[in-house]
Amino acid sequence: DAGITQSPRHKVTETGTPVTLRCHQTENHRYMYWYRQDPGHGLRLIHYSYGVKDTDKGEVSDGYSVSRSKTEDFLLTLESATSSQTSVYFCASRDSEQPQHFGDGTRLSIL
Amino acid sequence: QQQVKQSPQSLIVQKGGISIINCAYENTAFDYFPWYQQFPGKGPALLIAIRPDVSEKKEGRFTISFNKSAKQFSLHIMDSQPGDSATYFCAGQIHSGSARQLTFGSGTQLTVLP
Repeated sequence: DAGITQSPRHKVTETGTPVTLRCHQTENHRYMYWYRQDPGHGLRLIHYSYGVKDTDKGEVSDGYSVSRSKTEDFLLTLESATSSQTSVYFCASRDSEQPQHFGDGTRLSIL
Repeated sequence: QQQVKQSPQSLIVQKGGISIINCAYENTAFDYFPWYQQFPGKGPALLIAIRPDVSEKKEGRFTISFNKSAKQFSLHIMDSQPGDSATYFCAGQIHSGSARQLTFGSGTQLTVLP
């Protein structure tokens, strides 16, 4: 695959705590994306990045923030986690004319 | 607002049969339609894709049929195998600047019985 590593792979936390998920890619891809996957909804775009320090909101961005200080790393932060943010989170990246390649996801449970 | 509607939600097919998954889209600005295959515990992986100026694309046992006027497209898996058992997602892509955002359907869980 495109050398995308997501960490952690699993996390359980409590409501109200901050959570940061990390996506690391080794392909020097310019574009990176964060999605959440929920039953009956497919994958929904949270935020995306089109370069270092260049990010924008997706369809379901409320309650999430992102940062990209290096080409290879894209961080997703839940400032104050809520139970509705329990989900599987996927990161993807792509080069200019290539399709998106996905990581293997982070399963996040918020109790 | 679901811009890509996918059906059926689940599908059971006998080995050797044909699996058909359908999608309909609303946004005429979509310019690229990929299908992704996802196995449990893994991320989605690109299976096959089509652009709207083509009515059909075939890669091995997998074929996309595209009907631009009806705003519908479908995935056909010929000679389905147990190893094809997975969740399949259709998607539409739109240029938003250069970001090329994907809008996914809700997914179809395919089970191929041996």
